[in-house]
Amino acid sequence: EAGVTQFPSHSVIEKGQTVTLRCDPISGHDNLYWYRRVMGKEIKFLLHFVKESKQDESGMPNNRFLAERTGGTYSTLKVQPAELEDSGVYFCASSQDWGTVPDTQYFGPGTRLTVL
Amino acid sequence: AQKVTQAQTEISVVEKEDVTLDCVYETRDTTYYLFWYKQPPSGELVFLIRRNSFDEQNEISGRYSWNFQKSTSSFNFTITASQVVDSAVYFCAPHSGYALNFGKGTSLLVTP
Repeated sequence: EAGVTQFPSHSVIEKGQTVTLRCDPISGHDNLYWYRRVMGKEIKFLLHFVKESKQDESGMPNNRFLAERTGGTYSTLKVQPAELEDSGVYFCASSQDWGTVPDTQYFGPGTRLTVL
Repeated sequence: AQKVTQAQTEISVVEKEDVTLDCVYETRDTTYYLFWYKQPPSGELVFLIRRNSFDEQNEISGRYSWNFQKSTSSFNFTITASQVVDSAVYFCAPHSGYALNFGKGTSLLVTP
């Protein structure tokens, strides 16, 4: 069974440009999460989808970040316009059922974003 | 949100030594879940264990063992007879709401 995949693995862009990151969760996983780790900081939660609906987006830093999950399959995270402080590693994770207890989240390899 | 402290930033051991990684957390929840993840040099986060707050029994999986002490809010991770392949960053992550709350991680280096 394929794991969580993310594309691209690396992205280098200029400040002010737009970047779109993609995440394909494990097949059958309804829950999809985005996290990021900026330099020297902890890995921080950004948001959580259940199928195509945003369940919790309390971690999104500002309105330059837009996440979508059309059709409840893959997700995209767009940063527009990118700023220097957006540099970091963006991780995607997925889990199967949430129910009454948190299911294990399985992570992708991450996308390393560098904003120059 | 929960707070987690991994006081050891870096640990270096020689192969075959035992090593314990500390994790102390703060929570207001009466029921909660705790996770450990491993991040090898390749960068992905690999799930190691999930533990709920009801179960305080220690868990052993091969060379890995976990000591959960609810009274001291600690969930420590021990690797027995460490190997070079254990070199990685290890994260403790309590679960709160929909999110994992990661610590800063402990970087473990195992040398031959």
